[in-house]
Amino acid sequence: DQQVKQNSPSLSVQEGRISILNCDYTNSMFDYFLWYKKYPAEGPTFLISISSIKDKNEDGRFTVFLNKSAKHLSLHIVPSQPGDSAVYFCAANRWRNAGNMLTFGGGTRLMVKP
Amino acid sequence: DAGVIQSPRHEVTEMGQEVTLRCKPISGHNSLFWYRQTMMRGLELLIYFNNNVPIDDSGMPEDRFSAKMPNASFSTLKIQPSEPRDSAVYFCASTNTIRRVNTGELFFGEGSRLTVL
Repeated sequence: DQQVKQNSPSLSVQEGRISILNCDYTNSMFDYFLWYKKYPAEGPTFLISISSIKDKNEDGRFTVFLNKSAKHLSLHIVPSQPGDSAVYFCAANRWRNAGNMLTFGGGTRLMVKP
Repeated sequence: DAGVIQSPRHEVTEMGQEVTLRCKPISGHNSLFWYRQTMMRGLELLIYFNNNVPIDDSGMPEDRFSAKMPNASFSTLKIQPSEPRDSAVYFCASTNTIRRVNTGELFFGEGSRLTVL
């Protein structure tokens, strides 16, 4: 039962254009949503998050949008840069059993072409 | 600041052998997580500890897998006996849950790539 899904395994974008990565979830109990970025041979690193009570959070070139009614979130990167090429994981957090339970999507590989 | 430290970075072993992966969380963090990354299943949570106590091990695949956290600065994930299908990258992550607002942000190590022949 995949509670967090990223339906696009890969995305290719030209440098300077917008990258849009999508994520769908099924559990309405999630209270925070996060995006992680992963380079080869490294661990995932936190990029940006959004509370379930918000619909938008912006940090520099990165903006995350949340549509609760559709159980959908997206990450926008504008403008895209070659250094953004990585695997992006969507994750959803739920406080349970006295701790955080982060559920990850399968990841989307972003390739930004110079 | 030292991040989450995992060892070994790479491990190649033969089927049936015991494998032990190690993790040192960030100092001051009270929660520790073990994740496994595979092509088929992405990043899946195996087990997590809060204040050195295992809280949820429902993601541990089977009895061949075990995890311990004897103190706040060290954890191990053991596979005995190992099988080829255990080949994956195993990540350890830590966080501090003693905060008023907790977004769930985890800090990951660089991972241990396990190959079982």
